Amino acid sequence: AQKITQTQPGMFVQEKEAVTLDCTYDTSDPSYGLFWYKQPSSGEMIFLIYQGSYDQQNATEGRYSLNFQKARKSANLVISASQLGDSAMYFCAASGGYQKVTFGIGTKLQVIP
Amino acid sequence: DAGVIQSPRHEVTEMGQEVTLRCKPISGHDYLFWYRQTMMRGLELLIYFNNNVPIDDSGMPEDRFSAKMPNASFSTLKIQPSEPRDSAVYFCASRRRDRPNTGELFFGEGSRLTVL
Repeated sequence: AQKITQTQPGMFVQEKEAVTLDCTYDTSDPSYGLFWYKQPSSGEMIFLIYQGSYDQQNATEGRYSLNFQKARKSANLVISASQLGDSAMYFCAASGGYQKVTFGIGTKLQVIP
Repeated sequence: DAGVIQSPRHEVTEMGQEVTLRCKPISGHDYLFWYRQTMMRGLELLIYFNNNVPIDDSGMPEDRFSAKMPNASFSTLKIQPSEPRDSAVYFCASRRRDRPNTGELFFGEGSRLTVL
């Protein structure tokens, strides 16, 4: 079974600053994937970034990067140069054996002008 | 290419009524997932299918919930009888298996269910 833990219910960040959203995971699968999704107030789920457990380098997608620390079982999302449009819920997820995808409870990010 | 299509977008019903939510995955995707989202519990995986076969239904809350996937392009989630605590947003998502454990989930827009 997989478990995703997001310990920050809410975060504030000043516009143009960087912010880190925490995620830890627990899985017994030798091969797994880690994801981050964004859910704005409109409700749709938007894929942001993916990291494979065997990938040597941290994943990056534009202003998003995933700080993957395998030994610590953490997969934090870093958003650089925050924008007002980044205000949303952010979900960390893991895909393990048999392709099951489990989500954390989410972190609400608010960007302050 | 069309995305994941869910219907209805909104459903308001009375306690005890049957509710059927529908999902059409992206063509060529061989995994289909049903999630329920509430404020208290976040995104809960209810059930998922691979090639139309249910793989894990351990997240289905109780016998009132059932899901089917009669073919590769259609799935239903049924609640009978519905209860107020079933009020939530239900998401369908699909995925193609490119490599083990890779490939993003593509979500539908969700079905918002309110049971009075």
